[in-house]
Amino acid sequence: GAGVSQSPSNKVTEKGKDVELRCDPISGHTALYWYRQRLGQGLEFLIYFQGNSAPDKSGLPSDRFSAERTGESVSTLTIQRTQQEDSAVYLCASSQTFAEAFFGQGTRLTVV
Amino acid sequence: KNEVEQSPQNLTAQEGEFITINCSYSVGISALHWLQQHPGGGIVSLFMLSSGKKKHGRLIATINIQEKHSSLHITASHPRDSAVYICAVRSRGNKLVFGAGTILRVKS
Repeated sequence: GAGVSQSPSNKVTEKGKDVELRCDPISGHTALYWYRQRLGQGLEFLIYFQGNSAPDKSGLPSDRFSAERTGESVSTLTIQRTQQEDSAVYLCASSQTFAEAFFGQGTRLTVV
Repeated sequence: KNEVEQSPQNLTAQEGEFITINCSYSVGISALHWLQQHPGGGIVSLFMLSSGKKKHGRLIATINIQEKHSSLHITASHPRDSAVYICAVRSRGNKLVFGAGTILRVKS
C-alpha cells in the first residue's frame, strides 16, 4: 500500500481481555517499529523488527505484551489480560534499513 | 538522563516569529529524524539527516555530529505550524530513540 496501515483504528476492550493490534508496513520496508503514546506523554519504544527478527524487545512493558512479524511484512502486537494502564495510542512505523521512518495513524486502545 | 533531550518542552510564539527547537543526544547515531505530530496523533517525518543542513520550505534542520546536537528552525511561523515536534535518533543498531517532544503553539 501507499503508507503504513494499522488496524483497528480504535479499540475499546474490557479489563482482562486480550487484544491484537495489526500493522501493515510499506512494502519492502525491512524495519518495523512499535511504539505507544499514553495521553499527554511522549513516544515510548516497545519493540523493533529487522526482517522477521526482533533484535530489541527491551521496551515491552511486561510479559503480557508480545509481538511477531511474518513474511517480512505484517506485524501483530498482542496484549494479554489488558489493564487500564495499557490504554494508549499504539503506533507502528516502518523503514528501509537506515532510512526515513514512516508512521501509521495508530490504534487508540481504551481499556475499561 | 534520557538519551535524547529536547528543549524547550513548550514554546508559544507570535505569527511570523523565527522559531528554534533544540535536540541533544548522548549515543552514537547513524541518523537523526525530526518528526511533526499534529493534534489527532498523525506523525509526519520532516527530515532525516546525518550531517550538515537540510531545508524544506520554511523549515530548516541542522546537525553537528561532533557536538551531538541538532536544531529545527521554522521561519515566518504560522498558526498551522502548531504541533508537537519530536527529535528521534537512529542508533547504530537501527533502533529509533525519541525525545519527549516540544509542544509549539503559534498565535495569530
